Amino acid sequence: AQRVTQPEKLLSVFKGAPVELKCNYSYSGSPELFWYVQYSRQRLQLLLRHISRESIKGFTADLNKGETSFHLKKPFAQEEDSAMYYCALSEGGYQKVTFGTGTKLQVIP
Amino acid sequence: ETGVTQSPTHLIKTRGQQVTLRCSSQSGHNTVSWYQQALGQGPQFIFQYYREEENGRGNFPPRFSGLQFPNYSSELNVNALELDDSALYLCASSFRTGGGFGYTFGSGTRLTVV
Repeated sequence: AQRVTQPEKLLSVFKGAPVELKCNYSYSGSPELFWYVQYSRQRLQLLLRHISRESIKGFTADLNKGETSFHLKKPFAQEEDSAMYYCALSEGGYQKVTFGTGTKLQVIP
Repeated sequence: ETGVTQSPTHLIKTRGQQVTLRCSSQSGHNTVSWYQQALGQGPQFIFQYYREEENGRGNFPPRFSGLQFPNYSSELNVNALELDDSALYLCASSFRTGGGFGYTFGSGTRLTVV
């Protein structure tokens, strides 16, 4: 069965420091990976998808199939990055999207 | 462009009762998925509807059921409520099945079972 693991419940970094939110997955097929973000008092929203290989708000994520990881990175954290981040996996042709338990990013001014 | 709207925002029910939660999809989206999010957990997939038919189901009992209407709006019904059903219920719409293009989420319905 597919699984998404986010090992850190809370990650605190200083403003301007690099950020790396870890995500590992287990899935036997070819997954589609996502990062979702939830800012305070806002709804869950899509941040980026691995298939688009884009950078959103300075964040990037590279799919490493060998390490089955999809870590989210940003070189310089900003206070407005403070939020809850969820890694998610879609089973391609199947419908189910599996979410991790989330990591709360706290950027300290 | 309208987003995903859910109603009601909060609900309190008694154990054993039945509840219906509603969702209006984002304009142009033809697929609706429902998720349950317990406190401190990530969203758990309940089921998905595409073209008014169930198109995949997670590990939830049959007392969780749903409907999708021709206008792509959707309902989640839960019968015989249990205390553990207390959670945030999220509706998400997308362009196609599989969520491959990413979901658009509603704000959720907070259900409390007492």
